[in-house]
Amino acid sequence: GNSVTQMEGPVTLSEEAFLTINCTYTATGYPSLFWYVQYPGEGLQLLLKATKADDKGSNKGFEATYRKETTSFHLEKGSVQVSDSAVYFCALSGKGNAGGTSYGKLTFGQGTILTVHP
Amino acid sequence: EPEVTQTPSHQVTQMGQEVILRCVPISNHLYFYWYRQILGQKVEFLVSFYNNEISEKSEIFDDQFSVERPDGSNFTLKIRSTKLEDSAMYFCASQKGISGGEQFFGPGTRLTVL
Repeated sequence: GNSVTQMEGPVTLSEEAFLTINCTYTATGYPSLFWYVQYPGEGLQLLLKATKADDKGSNKGFEATYRKETTSFHLEKGSVQVSDSAVYFCALSGKGNAGGTSYGKLTFGQGTILTVHP
Repeated sequence: EPEVTQTPSHQVTQMGQEVILRCVPISNHLYFYWYRQILGQKVEFLVSFYNNEISEKSEIFDDQFSVERPDGSNFTLKIRSTKLEDSAMYFCASQKGISGGEQFFGPGTRLTVL
């Protein structure tokens, strides 16, 4: 079945540091890939997505590239801010085989807690 | 901006009791989901719902669980006889279309079974 593996956390950085959170996946077919973020006390929000190989998703300075050859979707940001402190989830949504259907079920990684200090 | 809402934010119940978790999805969305996250573990898919019926469910979603969209607005998750291991954060999500669309999540209901 489908699975997502994220790097172990928590991650603690100083403001303006470079961020990488690794994510690799196992899936049949051609999944869509997502990064969701959860701020304290809130629900999950979509941060960025990529729906096919070599696509780059980007939002709020975060980027991730869909790498089919390494089955990876690593999250990066060049300069983190204190306000980026949150839990980050990598996820995939499987697509069926050609002509098949998918009802959009998301498979999540375990989440990575990011804390950014001033 | 439209958002998914969930009530209650925290539910405490005794083992063996029935609970109903409520969600109001975004009004023009067609696909609805429940997920749960046991403390310290992954967010896990429970069930998806489309066109007034379950479209997919996980192994977790056994006979003790049911979902309903009773009035075209609310989307509920019922657990008939709660167990200690049902203690978790339960998230509702909705999606407008199925092709690469974004799922919008509610803030979650924390269920504590004593």
